[in-house]
Amino acid sequence: QLRLQESGPGLVKPSETLSLTCEVSGGSISTTIYYWGWIRQPPGKGLEWIGSIFYSGTTSYNPSLKSRATISADTSKTLISLKLTSLTAADTALYYCATMSVDSNTFDSWGQGTLLIVSS
Amino acid sequence: ERVMTQSPATLSVSPGERVTLSCRASHSVSTSLAWYQQKPGQAPRLLIYGASTRATGIPARFSGSGSGTDFTLTISSLQSEDFAVYYCQQYNTWPQITFGQGTRLEIK
Repeated sequence: QLRLQESGPGLVKPSETLSLTCEVSGGSISTTIYYWGWIRQPPGKGLEWIGSIFYSGTTSYNPSLKSRATISADTSKTLISLKLTSLTAADTALYYCATMSVDSNTFDSWGQGTLLIVSS
Repeated sequence: ERVMTQSPATLSVSPGERVTLSCRASHSVSTSLAWYQQKPGQAPRLLIYGASTRATGIPARFSGSGSGTDFTLTISSLQSEDFAVYYCQQYNTWPQITFGQGTRLEIK
């Protein structure tokens, strides 16, 4: 069974760059049956899609992030990574990694999330 | 951009009742609509995709309907474990995806 585990620094300062990783176990990230996505949730608020990466390496991002996000995949380490630049307090959120089924284009498996706080 | 609007923001209901949650899209999303359930301290769980198809392992008391711009999620008889926040998500503009702001289902 596929398992996703996010990890990150927990606390970063404004204007810095965030690096998060999602370790995938129980399956290959080179699979053609899943895409991979990052979604975030500010405390007490709703879900926001950040972006996705496809088995071809193609990526797609939420335009609201204004090109601050970069998603990549390291097949040798079974890691999906997210970089987010120019952080502000508005980026404080729980960050989730999730699989997106190619059949349904929905997020059918999620990690438990990693909390990021942006504060000086 | 497809804006997804859910109503109401909060719904107070009693166990055993039938409840209907609404999700409206700013432009047609055909049937490219999913519903998720999120309980406190947990990641969201996929309930419905394709507007009306239950995901694996989802009880039959959950049903989805609609197409175009108006969608509903119905829970036929609320169980205690169903009190949670529910989100709709459109993927008609895939790979661009948008979520609704959520409806909180609370115990009356």
